[in-house]
Amino acid sequence: QSALTQPASVSGSPGQSITISCTGTSSDVGGYDYVSWYQQHPGKVPKLMIYDVNTRPSGVSDRFSGSKSGNTASLTISGLQAEDEADYYCSSYRNGHTLVFGGGTKLTVL
Amino acid sequence: EVQLVESGGGLVQPGGSLRLSCVASGFNFGSTWMIWVRQAPGKGLEWVADIDTDGRQKFYVDSVKGRFTMSRDNAKNSLYLQMNSLRAEDTAVYYCATDLRWLQIDYWGQGAPVTVSS
Repeated sequence: QSALTQPASVSGSPGQSITISCTGTSSDVGGYDYVSWYQQHPGKVPKLMIYDVNTRPSGVSDRFSGSKSGNTASLTISGLQAEDEADYYCSSYRNGHTLVFGGGTKLTVL
Repeated sequence: EVQLVESGGGLVQPGGSLRLSCVASGFNFGSTWMIWVRQAPGKGLEWVADIDTDGRQKFYVDSVKGRFTMSRDNAKNSLYLQMNSLRAEDTAVYYCATDLRWLQIDYWGQGAPVTVSS
């Protein structure tokens, strides 16, 4: 059982928008603005897509956006493209200097 | 260009030991907190440990405390993970990674596979 809760899978058609949720507690997601999102294609290394809840690293498409409300963070991908099909993981800093991840969400582009 | 190159992975029997290394380049290694993350086959990501810039502060996930030791040599731009008393559940790909801040990872190595099996 992962520390942060994500849906196992989400799907969408090209051009649509999807949102992946990431639910934690007041000790992690709700207590800190240090939530990140990572994209991992099969057999590849994870890639940082969002940090500090809603900041995109240089080079990441502006189709990716992040937000947070209470103990739940969200990743939204707009204008869905085939290459967005991947696994997505959220993470958060937790009290006492611990890093916790979500279980991952498999995004399927229909 | 940031590069993190891990080595030292392999097959080891339960109870055995392995030492992973990670050589860094393309950034100021001595000013960067570093992290180890692992991923078991077909599973998600798990934080293993992290270390501050001069190696004085180290933090570990509960499941590896007392068995794993993280260290660094800033003169060699190198990071290490000494893994002792290995268990089957330690089987995973181990990634060396840089800490952007507050345990948010901006760069990942290619990963070192570790298999613990008799």
